Amino acid sequence: AQSVTQLDSQVPVFEEAPVELRCNYSSSVSVYLFWYVQYPNQGLQLLLKYLSGSTLVKGINGFEAEFNKSQTSFHLRKPSVHISDTAEYFCAVRSQGGSEKLVFGKGTKLTVNP
Amino acid sequence: EAGVAQSPRYKIIEKRQSVAFWCNPISGHATLYWYQQILGQGPKLLIQFQNNGVVDDSQLPKDRFSAERLKGVDSTLKIQPAKLEDSAVYLCASSSLPSETQYFGPGTRLLVL
Repeated sequence: AQSVTQLDSQVPVFEEAPVELRCNYSSSVSVYLFWYVQYPNQGLQLLLKYLSGSTLVKGINGFEAEFNKSQTSFHLRKPSVHISDTAEYFCAVRSQGGSEKLVFGKGTKLTVNP
Repeated sequence: EAGVAQSPRYKIIEKRQSVAFWCNPISGHATLYWYQQILGQGPKLLIQFQNNGVVDDSQLPKDRFSAERLKGVDSTLKIQPAKLEDSAVYLCASSSLPSETQYFGPGTRLLVL
């Protein structure tokens, strides 16, 4: 079985500052990794995903994430945030082969202040 | 391309009542998922359909929850009878194949009083 830990439930930052949202996972098999964003009263939107290849993955809206297998981490970063980035961010994992089920972390609420 | 549609967007019911949610996936998507998202938590998979067959319903509370996808397109999730702890957002998602990206609808926010 897989599990995901998002280490920070809330992250407040100022506009134009860099941000890192942390995600660690646990799995006995190889996994695929995802970051989703959820704006208020909306569904989840895929930001980026790691399936294979380069461990640095670039996504939409200027976000990127780095897969670190030895540390079982997949932290999300953005060099300069905007007010519009205020949202909830979810890290998710899916095993390679077997169940295609996505397992989500509890989410990190990012608040960007002016 | 139209996204995943869900209705209603909001529902308030009393405990022990029944409720049903509807989902229309992206056209051509064979795989459909229902998730439950309790406040402060990430989404949890309730049931996964491949066309009109159930692939995974291991986390569906089958004594009160049921779901169907009779023609392999639209799906309905039902709760009967509802409990207070069922208050949550119910998200529907679809993908062209189980291994492909899941696209989520806006969700139905349920409040059980």
